[in-house]
Amino acid sequence: QKEVEQNSGPLSVPEGAIASLNCTYSDRGSQSFFWYRQYSGKSPELIMFIYSNGDKEDGRFTAQLNKASQYVSLLIRDSQPSDSATYLCAGRQNYGGSQGNLIFGKGTKLSVKP
Amino acid sequence: GAGVSQSPSNKVTEKGKDVELRCDPISGHTALYWYRQSLGQGLEFLIYFQGNSAPDKSGLPSDRFSAERTGGSVSTLTIQRTQQEDSAVYLCASSPSGRRDYGYTFGSGTRLTVV
Repeated sequence: QKEVEQNSGPLSVPEGAIASLNCTYSDRGSQSFFWYRQYSGKSPELIMFIYSNGDKEDGRFTAQLNKASQYVSLLIRDSQPSDSATYLCAGRQNYGGSQGNLIFGKGTKLSVKP
Repeated sequence: GAGVSQSPSNKVTEKGKDVELRCDPISGHTALYWYRQSLGQGLEFLIYFQGNSAPDKSGLPSDRFSAERTGGSVSTLTIQRTQQEDSAVYLCASSPSGRRDYGYTFGSGTRLTVV
């Protein structure tokens, strides 16, 4: 059973702090990982993807991947109340160059307090 | 179109009735996915279409659920003899094919309520 695990939270951080969201996956064949943000009542929107070990930065967001530990994380620097949402981690297994469907975690709810 | 379009946005139906949900993907996207999300839950994979290949139906929860994709574009998800546990938001997503760094673009979903 291919699984992506996330702590459901809620994770509460003060405004301006770093929010750290974590995700583990069971399928070693997974090669690409995605972070989606979902506001209440809205559909998920893609914010970051990563497929190489190490860090990838985009503005206030940094995605980290450690394939040996099967661990993915998302750091949000200078957290803002507008970052309050549920963050979904997803992994995709590649089949000889063809893409597979994404397996989603249940999401971590982040609350940024002013 | 500019985004993934789903219709209707809301659907209330009586238990036992059939419903059809429609998804119009981003133009040129060859991959199309259906997921559902129950209240407070994660995304549950239902079915995946990739080009002209046979769809991956491994996520369909029962034989009451079926989906088709006509002409490699618009998809319809059909739920027969709806049950109350089918109540959820049904999300469609599309993606270009061939690159591992492409995530999905989701539509705004259809909220299905079975009464």
